[in-house]
Order: sequence, then structure tokens, then C-alpha cells
Amino acid sequence: SQQGEEDPQALSIQEGENATMNCSYKTSINNLQWYRQNSGRGLVHLILIRSNEREKHSGRLRVTLDTSKKSSSLLITASRAADTASYFCATDPGGSEKLVFGKGMKLTVNP
Amino acid sequence: EPEVTQTPSHQVTQMGQEVILRCVPISNHLYFYWYRQILGQKVEFLVSFYNNEISEKSEIFDDQFSVERPDGSNFTLKIRSTKLEDSAMYFCASSRGLGRPDTQYFGPGTRLTVL
Repeated sequence: SQQGEEDPQALSIQEGENATMNCSYKTSINNLQWYRQNSGRGLVHLILIRSNEREKHSGRLRVTLDTSKKSSSLLITASRAADTASYFCATDPGGSEKLVFGKGMKLTVNP
Repeated sequence: EPEVTQTPSHQVTQMGQEVILRCVPISNHLYFYWYRQILGQKVEFLVSFYNNEISEKSEIFDDQFSVERPDGSNFTLKIRSTKLEDSAMYFCASSRGLGRPDTQYFGPGTRLTVL
């Protein structure tokens, strides 16, 4: 089964606009995390939301989690050109130490 | 802010050769991980390591792969006889291991190219 599928696969917006990325997963989880990857670089941890939380904020980031629908969304408000990157959701399935990543979503913020 | 480091940033090798990828996890972290990302594909879990032994591994992590913590700071991934399909970005990560949730912090990666 595919765990952590992001939707859409690519998004292009203008600076100042909001960007919303969605992630769906199939198995039960302990928590869900979002990571950013600049082209050819490492993964930077953005935010973690626990399975018993519904919404979390960090600066311009807002994450929601709906465990009944097995889905999460990442909202980036007032986007900047520097937000241009690939964004991945990663789930922490119960009983495992590994993270299961989605394919990622490429966000392009045009100045 | 402490971070995970990896060396080299890019490794080119011939098929059949052995490679060792090196990582220095964050100093007070107890769990260490290797992931890989084939170009254009998902980041895939390879192995986790705790208390000087493998705690979990994926199907990808076969007998060609091994991990080691040779001293108090380094964590290595060895590929014994590289194949073309081993070409990928390899990421090391570490976490505190003090209970869930346990955020994993990733290094910048080593790009391995097998010719």
C-alpha cells in the first residue's frame, strides 16, 4: 500500500499567495511529520503533529490532521520565493521506528 | 544548532566496488538511521540502529549492506559490492530516542553514483 501520498504533485504560485498541500496515508500512525527538501539537498524537519492532535501552527505553517480520513494538510501562508522546494509528509506507523515518506510535492513560488 | 553531517557529499564508484558512507549524528542522540532516495522517487527507509545493534531493517537492506558505529561519533553504511541500482542519495538521520514522538533529523545526504 502507498503510505503518505501528497497531493498535488506540483504547485506553482505567486509570492504572497498561500500554498496548500495534502497528504493521505493508509495505516494507523503515531504521528505525521512534514519535511522540506531544497533541490539536491537534505531533508529539513518542519513540523510534527501527533495522532491525537487536529491542528498545529508554527510560524507561517499550519498543519491539520484528520485521522478518520487518514489525511493531513500543510498550509504555507504568505509564501516567499525561498519556500520553493519539495515537501514531503512522513508517517510514523505504530510499532515501527521508521518514517514512511510520500513521493513529495514540488512547490514553486514565483517572485 | 547541532546538525547531522555526512561525508562525502558525492561518491562515484565502479560497479562491484565497496563503498563506505559516513555520518556524524547529533551528539546526544541515541537512534541512528539510513534512508535512500533514488532520483525522482520516494525516500525509503533502510535501517535503524540503537545501542550498537540494528533495531529494524527494510527488505532493501540485504546482505550487501552493513552498518557500524566504529567510535563514539561516526555511523557508517557499507555497501559491499555496489550495483547500478544502488545509485541514489543516501541520507543519515538521528533522533533522541527518549520516547515518542521522536523527531528524526537528517543530514545533507551523500549522492552515490555507480558506473
